Amino acid sequence: EVQLLESGGGLVQPGGSLRLSCAASGFTFSSCAMSWVRQAPGKGLEWVSALSGSGTSTYYADSVKGRFTISRDNSKKTLYLQMNSLRAEDTAIYYCARDRGGSFAGDFDYWGQGTLVTVSS
Amino acid sequence: QSVLTQPPSASGTPGQRVTISCSGSSSNIGSNYVSWYQQVPGTAPKLLIYWNNQRPSGVPDRFSGSKSGTSASLAISGLRSEDEADYYCASWDDSLSVYYVFGTGTKVTVL
Repeated sequence: EVQLLESGGGLVQPGGSLRLSCAASGFTFSSCAMSWVRQAPGKGLEWVSALSGSGTSTYYADSVKGRFTISRDNSKKTLYLQMNSLRAEDTAIYYCARDRGGSFAGDFDYWGQGTLVTVSS
Repeated sequence: QSVLTQPPSASGTPGQRVTISCSGSSSNIGSNYVSWYQQVPGTAPKLLIYWNNQRPSGVPDRFSGSKSGTSASLAISGLRSEDEADYYCASWDDSLSVYYVFGTGTKVTVL
């Protein structure tokens, strides 16, 4: 059974940093591109970042470029999102999502339960 | 600010057919595949449609997708109470450094 389990969310002050993790199981992790998608309270979905299965290709939304870094450890079957210079508008539930293939295509067939990040003083 | 526009709400009675539209442009829907996601409040999104009209295994054939030009549609036939949820379209965007966008979302209510 495919499972994605996010962790690392919490309350952080503006300008602070946080690292999210997504532990994967039940599939060949290195064969699938992975993404982070966020949802601000009461708002719609926003794609944040993606990483190919091999880890060689990265993609970022303009809203987080230069502040967030996506990475993965295929030996640990874990996806990460390092978030720096956090702003109030980064407050959201962050979901990790699996792509159907090894390249970033946006066909997210499995999602984690999400982890809440709150940026506030 | 999403570049894919959906109606904020849609509704129907059990058994009816409901259609949700998704309007984009030549840089996204017009030149890329469309996916659709269902999100029941308080839960993670679920993939309903990919490659414009393909259903993952386990998704009922009551759900169907189509695309024409720069617009796409999701149809739900034989509406059921459990279909009450938010629905999002999504697509790649070929605009400089945009990559992937979700629609504004449509809340479907079963009357």
